[in-house]
Amino acid sequence: DTAVSQTPKYLVTQMGNDKSIKCEQNLGHDTMYWYKQDSKKFLKIMFSYNNKELIINETVPNRFSPKSPDKAHLNLHINSLELGDSAVYFCASSQELAGVGGELFFGEGSRLTVL
Amino acid sequence: AQSVTQLDSQVPVFEEAPVELRCNYSSSVSVYLFWYVQYPNQGLQLLLKYLSGSTLVKGINGFEAEFNKSQTSFHLRKPSVHISDTAEYFCAVSDRGFQKLVFGTGTRLLVSP
Repeated sequence: DTAVSQTPKYLVTQMGNDKSIKCEQNLGHDTMYWYKQDSKKFLKIMFSYNNKELIINETVPNRFSPKSPDKAHLNLHINSLELGDSAVYFCASSQELAGVGGELFFGEGSRLTVL
Repeated sequence: AQSVTQLDSQVPVFEEAPVELRCNYSSSVSVYLFWYVQYPNQGLQLLLKYLSGSTLVKGINGFEAEFNKSQTSFHLRKPSVHISDTAEYFCAVSDRGFQKLVFGTGTRLLVSP
């Protein structure tokens, strides 16, 4: 039974299109995150929600819009896709915030390729 | 703002040899430190973390790390590696009370027979 699941795992699309990635966690955690991992494996946080409230919003283009319908789900919608958006996007959840030493549980990632 | 430096992008080692993966951090306040591992085509999972107390932390799969405040380091070690330890290893830091977990650029551990 997967703890943090993301769909789709692979996404290939053309520049200019709009796409969404969905994430669900069944761990009962209060906090969820989106991380972007580039081709050099560098991981950077994009957004974080705590009980459906946005608590971290890094310097991310406003073409990226997260949505948390409930605390078990955090979706990522991307408008007007660009080549530089190609990356692996990881969803994660934690019961405690990283700032108090919380452990993050990651999904398997969604590999987005923009052509 | 905190940052993490992993100086070695790749560490090749033979099976059953010891290994050390280096991590240095910078922060103006007290920190929490983590090591995560990413196996091919998978998400990250926690190996170990330092919150407080003993500076030597033991984690899963025989790994351990030592927090050295004076050298601002948190190096990861394993006395004898297996082929299955081949993976990407990420050091991460969080300032106490801060909400973000900042990752280093990762070290690829390559274990060969």
